[in-house]
Amino acid sequence: GAGVSQSPSNKVTEKGKDVELRCDPISGHTALYWYRQSLGQGLEFLIYFQGNSAPDKSGLPSDRFSAERTGGSVSTLTIQRTQQEDSAVYLCASSIARPYEQYFGPGTRLTVT
Amino acid sequence: GDSVTQMEGPVTLSEEAFLTINCTYTATGYPSLFWYVQYPGEGLQLLLKATKADDKGSNKGFEATYRKETTSFHLEKGSVQVSDSAVYFCALRHTGANSKLTFGKGITLSVRP
Repeated sequence: GAGVSQSPSNKVTEKGKDVELRCDPISGHTALYWYRQSLGQGLEFLIYFQGNSAPDKSGLPSDRFSAERTGGSVSTLTIQRTQQEDSAVYLCASSIARPYEQYFGPGTRLTVT
Repeated sequence: GDSVTQMEGPVTLSEEAFLTINCTYTATGYPSLFWYVQYPGEGLQLLLKATKADDKGSNKGFEATYRKETTSFHLEKGSVQVSDSAVYFCALRHTGANSKLTFGKGITLSVRP
């Protein structure tokens, strides 16, 4: 079946602009995670959604970052007023439920110029 | 907080050489441990996992044993192939509510013919 998909695959934006990154999880997966992969910080957790529960936003680095998940499926990660340090690969993962294996999407490479 | 430490890289080996990639962790509770692999141009894939002490995870000729006494999860393979060239990440899954993954910084393995 289809895996986790993310769009766009690459995004170049100017400093100060807002960007939206999209994640389509595997159908039926109730848990969804966003991670960020950057040269300086490695792979780090950003936010977690589980069903209709309030998301765990404990990994978001600043209030410029936000995410939502509509209808328990598609998720959008929004970065406002982008900075150069936001340049990274943003990865989305989904799983059937909380303790089960996470399947990763191919990522969105964000470059802030 | 919880953390994962991997040996510094990169690592370059000749085909059929023995591979060991060290990984140690710090965690509260009893986390599950994982090795993920990222092949060039591809997304993160789960390579193997172990969910409790003394468990051995194995896949594609790779093995790792969950050692609680040394808080380690070293990855080994008896005979590497050129196709094993990739970035390898050690990770732990928290036992808390969100089951987020905490990753090591990753290590690049290059295998020469």
